[in-house]
Amino acid sequence: NAGVTQTPKFQVLKTGQSMTLQCAQDMNHEYMSWYRQDPGMGLRLIHYSVGAGITDQGEVPNGYNVSRSTTEDFPLRLLSAAPSQTSVYFCASSQTILHYGYTFGSGTRLTVV
Amino acid sequence: AQSVTQLGSHVSVSEGALVLLRCNYSSSVPPYLFWYVQYPNQGLQLLLKYTSAATLVKGINGFEAEFKKSETSFHLTKPSAHMSDAAEYFCAVSEGNQGGKLIFGQGTELSVKP
Repeated sequence: NAGVTQTPKFQVLKTGQSMTLQCAQDMNHEYMSWYRQDPGMGLRLIHYSVGAGITDQGEVPNGYNVSRSTTEDFPLRLLSAAPSQTSVYFCASSQTILHYGYTFGSGTRLTVV
Repeated sequence: AQSVTQLGSHVSVSEGALVLLRCNYSSSVPPYLFWYVQYPNQGLQLLLKYTSAATLVKGINGFEAEFKKSETSFHLTKPSAHMSDAAEYFCAVSEGNQGGKLIFGQGTELSVKP
């Protein structure tokens, strides 16, 4: 199994550009989440999903959109990139939180100039 | 809403000394609690979890944590630090099985001196 796969690993965007960070898992997990990691701030939850067709906002959702059309995929869209969105983004998935915790991808390092 | 506070953004210990990383949580329902470790330029790896069974939880690499409801704490310990333990450690809380939302603390960077 590949686990949680994030693409791309690195990306540089210009202010105002849009892009989609991809996340796919092959473990048939129901729960998926997106986090951003910034120095001194830990991981902050952007959006999460408890199953196909169901998403909800996390702690810092502004400027980001998500959709969950399949169990496997949970893309994160930046509509108009801003320098404040420079961060490392992690996608994670879990069958349930109860027993397994979340499995994390290796991250996408995004720089907005 | 649930939240987590990790006391101390940086902790430094000598090799062989006790490791103690502090975590306090807030939750309106019985929580599930987790510790994750992140080595440089890597993703997060689950160290251990509390899911309402035994209050003393043992994890990988010799780490353990004790859930103390009266103190709303879930501190991480290891009796003897090793150089390879140097990493960033994150405590996280979810409100049981309510909706898949997992909230992290700010993280504690552990340094181990030879």
